[in-house]
Amino acid sequence: KQEVTQIPAALSVPEGENLVLNCSFTDSAIYNLQWFRQDPGKGLTSLLLIQSSQREQTSGRLNASLDKSSGRSTLYIAASQPGDSATYLCAVTPNQAGTALIFGKGTTLSVSS
Amino acid sequence: GAVVSQHPSWVICKSGTSVKIECRSLDFQATTMFWYRQFPKQSLMLMATSNEGSKATYEQGVEKDKFLINHASLTLSTLTVTSAHPEDSSFYICSARPTGGAGRTDTQYFGPGTRLTVL
Repeated sequence: KQEVTQIPAALSVPEGENLVLNCSFTDSAIYNLQWFRQDPGKGLTSLLLIQSSQREQTSGRLNASLDKSSGRSTLYIAASQPGDSATYLCAVTPNQAGTALIFGKGTTLSVSS
Repeated sequence: GAVVSQHPSWVICKSGTSVKIECRSLDFQATTMFWYRQFPKQSLMLMATSNEGSKATYEQGVEKDKFLINHASLTLSTLTVTSAHPEDSSFYICSARPTGGAGRTDTQYFGPGTRLTVL
């Protein structure tokens, strides 16, 4: 059974720091991996999607990497801002596109000004 | 493109009543939609897979007679929480995978969620 783990559960940093969020999954047979942002009481915003054949994806200050063989992904946030404060969720799609996502519990990020 | 809406965004109801939540794909068709539940400070957990024109598939531990799912068209799935109790209070989020129209067919698009509070 696929399990997704995110470390750390919470992170507090001052504005301007670069930071890394970690995600691991137990079964390397995934279709793709996504990183989402969730603000308190709100829905999900998709940040980056990495296909199983890809190594990384970038969008602005965000960079996500995928090492499928080791079951790991990282989300790198450069020059963090207070507006980045949110919960970041990692989710994998198991072996085909039509299946439901399996989520980690998230990392709650707080960036202070 | 590829927008999913949910209605209502929040609802408060009395214990024992039923509540219906709608999930709509606004600019694409979806033969499959998913319903997730998120308790405070927990992750999203899949409740059921909604299939257009056929019965939903429920995850282990989810009562199908309590959480009624109807996927009567390619753009609408509904989740009805029957005889709701305080322990059903949660954040319910749906997602849909395009099979036509806007969006990528290998991606799921999420609705904004519905906050249910049962008194």
